[in-house]
Amino acid sequence: DTEVTQTPKHLVMGMTNKKSLKCEQHMGHRAMYWYKQKAKKPPELMFVYSYEKLSINESVPSRFSPECPNSSLLNLHLHALQPEDSALYLCASSQVHRGTESNQPQHFGDGTRLSIL
Amino acid sequence: AQSVAQPEDQVNVAEGNPLTVKCTYSVSGNPYLFWYVQYPNRGLQFLLKYITGDNLVKGSYGFEAEFNKSQTSFHLKKPSALVSDSALYFCAVRDGAGANNLFFGTGTRLTVIP
Repeated sequence: DTEVTQTPKHLVMGMTNKKSLKCEQHMGHRAMYWYKQKAKKPPELMFVYSYEKLSINESVPSRFSPECPNSSLLNLHLHALQPEDSALYLCASSQVHRGTESNQPQHFGDGTRLSIL
Repeated sequence: AQSVAQPEDQVNVAEGNPLTVKCTYSVSGNPYLFWYVQYPNRGLQFLLKYITGDNLVKGSYGFEAEFNKSQTSFHLKKPSALVSDSALYFCAVRDGAGANNLFFGTGTRLTVIP
């Protein structure tokens, strides 16, 4: 069982819908991440939050809007998505110790499989 | 700029035989290297990491990896493969400068044949 919980597991939405993906962890991790993974490809980093502040946005289109309401929760708000946005969306978290962020492994959830009609 | 290469898309090995999944890397500073495994319809599971110290790193499920600085490689190994090891394996690297970015290789699908 994964320690990072993502809901829903599956989501089908139209291009005009608004929906949100949710991610929760209770490991005390202060860095949280959103990745997009297409079939048989590696995960692609979308956003990084560190201490609830957005620290990295990898030039993601504005139809994806992240939110970190507290240290345990991470949301990804979706609006007006395109068919090419269909993918597995993975959330991850990691410890943050000053000066050692790079060597902490990321813990992944099982993802939300998103299909855009 | 960081990058990581996994030269084999697919590796097949007979059950009970040793397995190797290859990974080479390129970083500007000290490399922090990771191996993850992904089973169907699941997220990535952390197997092991190299930060510093002993070049042979032991991880979960009997896996180990050997860091070779001169060859810039970090190959994943296991002495005796199990059918349940069949999965997609990703090598990843971070620059030791403190960045949060994790750069993944393209993945290697391991199939262990009974």
